[in-house]
Amino acid sequence: DAGITQSPRYKITETGRQVTLMCHQTWSHSYMFWYRQDLGHGLRLIYYSAAADITDKGEVPDGYVVSRSKTENFPLTLESATRSQTSVYFCASSEGRGWYEQYFGPGTRLTVT
Amino acid sequence: TQLLEQSPQFLSIQEGENLTVYCNSSSVFSSLQWYRQEPGEGPVLLVTVVTGGEVKKLKRLTFQFGDARKDSSLHITAAQPGDTGLYLCAGGGGGTSYGKLTFGQGTILTVHP
Repeated sequence: DAGITQSPRYKITETGRQVTLMCHQTWSHSYMFWYRQDLGHGLRLIYYSAAADITDKGEVPDGYVVSRSKTENFPLTLESATRSQTSVYFCASSEGRGWYEQYFGPGTRLTVT
Repeated sequence: TQLLEQSPQFLSIQEGENLTVYCNSSSVFSSLQWYRQEPGEGPVLLVTVVTGGEVKKLKRLTFQFGDARKDSSLHITAAQPGDTGLYLCAGGGGGTSYGKLTFGQGTILTVHP
């Protein structure tokens, strides 16, 4: 049971390049989330999705794009990476019912040079 | 905007000591969750409390939900170095969009042998 996986785990890219972070879950959870974690800011929600083809902005969506064509996948794309997007990115999923419990992936550490 | 304030932000103690972490809000939540995050990994769900006044125990960890469902505490008895990590509280429901959680800023706990 793989649960929720993210790839790549580490990525270094240059300013201005497009980069996509992948997230895959095997639980068939309806909700999926993307967070970034920075020192002093805790976890900040970038985008979330309630189901395939349904996405919505979170607290810090600027500079990011998401899609969700299949329930199990929720890729996050940085269209033109900036240094301020250097961060650790976490994907999470939730059944979307009950008590809102979320299950997190191992994270992707992204460095933009 | 709902906020969850955690205190203290940092906690450095010796093995065997007891400690309490607090999570406070002016908002009412349907559920309150506690997560632990170790370096290089994603947050892992420890417990969910849903009833005002509820107390749950997980070995040496005791979690309590306030009577008014606006606050929670995490108490660790006889802390061990393996308890070291970032502890996050998160509230569900209570005005946030369905499925989303409001996270506290976290408490970084270091337990010295």
